[in-house]
Amino acid sequence: DAKTTQPTSMDCAEGRAANLPCNHSTISGNEYVYWYRQIHSQGPQYIIHGLKNNETNEMASLIITEDRKSSTLILPHATLRDTAVYYCIVVNSGNTPLVFGKGTRLSVIA
Amino acid sequence: GAVVSQHPSRVICKSGTSVKIECRSLDFQATTMFWYRQFPKQSLMLMATSNEGSKATYEQGVEKDKFLINHASLTLSTLTVTSAHPEDSSFYICSAREAGRWETQYFGPGTRLLVL
Repeated sequence: DAKTTQPTSMDCAEGRAANLPCNHSTISGNEYVYWYRQIHSQGPQYIIHGLKNNETNEMASLIITEDRKSSTLILPHATLRDTAVYYCIVVNSGNTPLVFGKGTRLSVIA
Repeated sequence: GAVVSQHPSRVICKSGTSVKIECRSLDFQATTMFWYRQFPKQSLMLMATSNEGSKATYEQGVEKDKFLINHASLTLSTLTVTSAHPEDSSFYICSAREAGRWETQYFGPGTRLLVL
């Protein structure tokens, strides 16, 4: 059963910020929010993860709502190479494997 | 980030033959590796969890006798598709977690298998 809900697809103009939403209304207290992306015919690439606080790294920012029921991945200046399927995944600690939903297909348009 | 490699990157084989896919963690030790399968236009499906030195744990519906997994060292796991059939044609992806650092799962580039 999917623990997250994401839009099927989104478009974003090159150079603009891409904001990808994710609903995880049944998230439990010890579950983290992870974001991965998969460029066509490649393995998934780790982007960012968080528990409660907002996080930022060189690739993206992750904004988690106070109730933790939803989050948004922000790519501040999207490029054509950011075109990919983006997966939002909730997982607890330990050896629990990542379970992928259908993700959001982001198309960055020149 | 940590690097995970897979070999071969693509393989074509005849129906009935067996194919071995290797997954290596290049710059870290992985006590746990995972194997996924992805059909065209679908998401990744977890097949099994592989722990170094012990038997793999298979997901429901995945035949353990058909998909043999060996995790003999902290840097290598192998998936053998035995008696492959055309319906086994897929994109096989492995991932690994670094020993003592569960936070991030690193993925290999995938192996595309085509069974004729």
